[in-house]
Amino acid sequence: QVQLVESGGGLVEPGAPLRLSCEASGFTFSDYHMTWMRQAPGKGLEWLSYITARSSQTEYADSVQGRFTISRDDAKKSLYLQMNSLRVEDTAVYYCARDLMARGFDIWGRGTMVTVSS
Amino acid sequence: EIVLSQSPATLSLSPGETATLSCRASQSVGTFLTWYQKRPGQAPRLLIFGASNRATGVPARFSGSGSGTDFTLTISSLEPEDFALYYCQQRRNWPLTFGGGTNVEIK
Repeated sequence: QVQLVESGGGLVEPGAPLRLSCEASGFTFSDYHMTWMRQAPGKGLEWLSYITARSSQTEYADSVQGRFTISRDDAKKSLYLQMNSLRVEDTAVYYCARDLMARGFDIWGRGTMVTVSS
Repeated sequence: EIVLSQSPATLSLSPGETATLSCRASQSVGTFLTWYQKRPGQAPRLLIFGASNRATGVPARFSGSGSGTDFTLTISSLEPEDFALYYCQQRRNWPLTFGGGTNVEIK
């Protein structure tokens, strides 16, 4: 069964770091580009970051550039999002997705909640 | 950054009716436009890619059209499970961007 499962969310204080993980199963993870997105409470979807297969290229939204780092470990079939200097406005459900580029994000995880609050 | 504007923000319809959702881009995205459905508590679902191509398993009542800056998602004969949020997203330029969404609600 093709699926993605996010983990690592939780409650953190402003300025703290947090690392999210996304474990893939049911497909050859190393062959695919991957993406992180989020949805803040009451808001729409926001694209955050992208990494190619083989990790040759990464891209970031301006809102997280310099604070968040995307990475992957193909041996562990896992995608990561290292989030530093977290802000209250980073509070959201974070989703990972398989990225088929022009063919869209076809597989999504169920999301992991990150709450940044003092 | 390419800004996507979706209208209307809310569409109130009855089951069996047709929903017409609009997505307008601040500059041309060609046909690099994708539509997603989002139900509360669920992960988003890919509906349409390349402006008009249905994703695997998406019912034929969902159709997309448009190119350049103006796009439409049409849902014919609404089923109960179609009442949800719908987002467009562009893949023409970095950063990737989503529209603000259209909420299709039961009238």
